[in-house]
Amino acid sequence: GDSVTQMEGPVTLSEEAFLTINCTYTATGYPSLFWYVQYPGEGLQLLLKATKADDKGSNKGFEATYRKETTSFHLEKGSVQVSDSAVYFCALKGGGNKLVFGAGTILRVKS
Amino acid sequence: NAGVTQTPKFQVLKTGQSMTLQCAQDMNHNSMYWYRQDPGMGLRLIYYSASEGTTDKGEVPNGYNVSRLNKREFSLRLESAAPSQTSVYFCASSEAFLLQGGETQYFGPGTRLLVL
Repeated sequence: GDSVTQMEGPVTLSEEAFLTINCTYTATGYPSLFWYVQYPGEGLQLLLKATKADDKGSNKGFEATYRKETTSFHLEKGSVQVSDSAVYFCALKGGGNKLVFGAGTILRVKS
Repeated sequence: NAGVTQTPKFQVLKTGQSMTLQCAQDMNHNSMYWYRQDPGMGLRLIYYSASEGTTDKGEVPNGYNVSRLNKREFSLRLESAAPSQTSVYFCASSEAFLLQGGETQYFGPGTRLLVL
């Protein structure tokens, strides 16, 4: 079945460092891909999405490119802030009627 | 707009007790969902309601029941709680169901449930 694999955390960075959180997927067909973010004490929020190969989703300085050839959707940000500390979830919508989530990656940014 | 609200925020139960988790949304969304989140695992879908008056099983429905009370409210009931149901429960809603492009889901803050 469909699945999402994310890099294990926690990822700890200093403020203004470059961020990459890896995400790869297994799915039949051409899924839509998403990054959700969960700030402390809150529910998940959609951060960005891409619906077809080579699409780039972007929001709040975060970017991710849908790479069909490597089945990846890595999340990047050029300069992280303390306020970016959160849990980041990669997810896909395949042929079924549900979102499939990765296990989540904790990001901690230190000032 | 409050978005998606959940009650309670935290609950401790003894094995065999029952309880209902409440969820409400004020965005006039058609579809609502219940997920559970366990350490090292992604969110797993328990039940969903594609539209008012319908409910369907998700990936892990055993031990749970749901009620779509009206368009706003979608409750999750544990009839006889077990330690394996210790988890964080999230309710979510979307304007349309997934198959109709409703991929953007809005989540509540979660309910932490501990079953002893």
